[in-house]
Amino acid sequence: GENVEQHPSTLSVQEGDSAVIKCTYSDSASNYFPWYKQELGKRPQLIIDIRSNVGEKKDQRIAVTLNKTAKHFSLHITETQPEDSAVYFCAASRGFQKLVFGTGTRLLVSP
Amino acid sequence: GAVVSQHPSRVICKSGTSVKIECRSLDFQATTMFWYRQFPKQSLMLMATSNEGSKATYEQGVEKDKFLINHASLTLSTLTVTSAHPEDSSFYICSARVQHTGELFFGEGSRLTVL
Repeated sequence: GENVEQHPSTLSVQEGDSAVIKCTYSDSASNYFPWYKQELGKRPQLIIDIRSNVGEKKDQRIAVTLNKTAKHFSLHITETQPEDSAVYFCAASRGFQKLVFGTGTRLLVSP
Repeated sequence: GAVVSQHPSRVICKSGTSVKIECRSLDFQATTMFWYRQFPKQSLMLMATSNEGSKATYEQGVEKDKFLINHASLTLSTLTVTSAHPEDSSFYICSARVQHTGELFFGEGSRLTVL
């Protein structure tokens, strides 16, 4: 089955810096890659996703890149703000099948 | 985005009792819902896939007789933790998938504490 690895487990940046979180997946048939943000005690919120037919997607300060050959995808957050502090999870799935989550990255943005 | 509602948000029970958690898709129909468990500072671990009108598909290592799942309608799935023990204390989160986009939306989660 699918296995998703995520790095780093924790990431501390200064406000205004960029943050990059990387994930690798094992199932070459996976074609849907969402990223979720989870604040303490709350539900995960979808922040951006990408499908295997594109290599990059951007939404304001957030972007995701996908390298199908290497089977890895990354989340890029620019101009970080304290409210970006949370745990971020990557995930992968084949179409509409079950999502497998990465281990999570705790991002701390210091003012 | 689509709305998924989960109830109760918090529950405390005595060891040996059963607890039912409900998951509802409020503005869309969900033929498939997923149940996850999340321990503190850990990732979401899929427990089972709930299919409307049929039996749930459980992940390896998840006891189907302990975690009963019922998906009787296109908008409601329930998870019953039977004979709960302290080690079952966790954050249980359901999710539902919007069919035409594949996006997964999560319920608010239910924090179960077994004394």
